[in-house]
Amino acid sequence: EVQLVESGGRLVKPGGSLRLSCVASGFTFSIYSMNWVRQAPGKGLEWVSSFSSTSSDIYYADSVKGRFTISRDNAQNSLYLQMNSLRAEDTAMYYCVRGEMSFDYWGQGTLVTVSS
Amino acid sequence: SYDLTQPPSVSVSPGQTVSITCSGDKLGDKFTCWFQQKPGQSPVLVIYQDNKRPSGIPERFSGSNSGNTATLTISGTQAMDEGDYYCQTWDGMTGVFGTGTKVTVL
Repeated sequence: EVQLVESGGRLVKPGGSLRLSCVASGFTFSIYSMNWVRQAPGKGLEWVSSFSSTSSDIYYADSVKGRFTISRDNAQNSLYLQMNSLRAEDTAMYYCVRGEMSFDYWGQGTLVTVSS
Repeated sequence: SYDLTQPPSVSVSPGQTVSITCSGDKLGDKFTCWFQQKPGQSPVLVIYQDNKRPSGIPERFSGSNSGNTATLTISGTQAMDEGDYYCQTWDGMTGVFGTGTKVTVL
């Protein structure tokens, strides 16, 4: 069974930093592209970042470029999102998502709240 | 930036057919996915590559994509199909989600 378990979300002050983690199981992590998608409270889905499997290409939404860094550790079956210079508008549930052309498995999410 | 527009809400009677549109410039030239999200839950993929259903998704879910519009159709809608639906595509290497549609089964 495919499982994606996120952690690391919490309340943080504006300008602060946070590192989200996602541990994957039930599939060969190294051969899949992985993504972060977020959803602000009561709002729609927003793609944040992707890390490809084959070429190690990395992509970011303009809204987080220069502030967030995606990384992965295939030996640990883990995906990460380092979030710096956090803003109130970064407040959201952050989902770890498997897939490249289709986001076929989603974690339960970890909540990040940016507030003073 | 590339935008995908969906109607905010649609309603349908049980057993009837409902279609949800997703509009974007030359969207038919790209692959589109659809996700269902119920309150308090993570999104679930219901259609990928325009018209393919993942394992476990009922046959009443179907998709199409042509021109500037992708469409998700739910035939014989059931109460359990109520929720928010999002389309999604790729603009180059940037992921783009639609604005979302709330489906209400009356």
